[in-house]
Amino acid sequence: DIQMTQSPSSLSASVGDRVVISCRASQSLTIYLNWFQQKPGKAPRLLIYDASGVQSGVPSRFSGSGSGTDFTLTISSVQPEDFATYYCQQTYSIPWTFGQGTKVEIK
Amino acid sequence: QVQLVQSGAEVKKPGASVKVSCKASGYTFTTYDVNWVRQAPGQGPEWMGWMNPNNGRTGYAQKFDGRVTMTRNTSITTAYMELSSLRSDDTAVYYCARAFTPRRFDPWGQGTLVTVSS
Repeated sequence: DIQMTQSPSSLSASVGDRVVISCRASQSLTIYLNWFQQKPGKAPRLLIYDASGVQSGVPSRFSGSGSGTDFTLTISSVQPEDFATYYCQQTYSIPWTFGQGTKVEIK
Repeated sequence: QVQLVQSGAEVKKPGASVKVSCKASGYTFTTYDVNWVRQAPGQGPEWMGWMNPNNGRTGYAQKFDGRVTMTRNTSITTAYMELSSLRSDDTAVYYCARAFTPRRFDPWGQGTLVTVSS
């Protein structure tokens, strides 16, 4: 199975800060990497697909980049509603696997 | 709007089985695969498998093969996930998710908490 490692595991940010979350895969994914946002007690919400595609309805402050084994999710100016846990997911090969998450907290 | 609504929380004893339902609305049920994902407390999500509602084909993660069964009833646009021989480490929130494309899960159901405890 492909292992997904996210960093950092948590971070503190102020409203308006630029936030960058990293995800590394144990083998090349080409571009098959998704990002999800999850708030407490809620289901994950798809933000980014295929490394850089923005899902319909997702604010433009969210962007994704990367290919191969290294990927990033960037929030250009973090808003109060963005404080949540973020997960990467590889969809290169079954079984699809997820990272362990990055919790974004208010400073 | 596209929506997946899951059945309510369950409490089961070790060794028992649980069957979770996922009612789809707002789209043609047989057009998109349904995936199941679980999330143990404080952990990242874990993919369990997929089902094609049109023909009933399934694919399971090796970890669950032999214990999980995914089925559907097209007349009521509902998918099901049954997990048998439950253990305490099966305690988790179980989600269904539509595969908008095979690699894009959207939307997800609200989740069903399954607690396994003696």
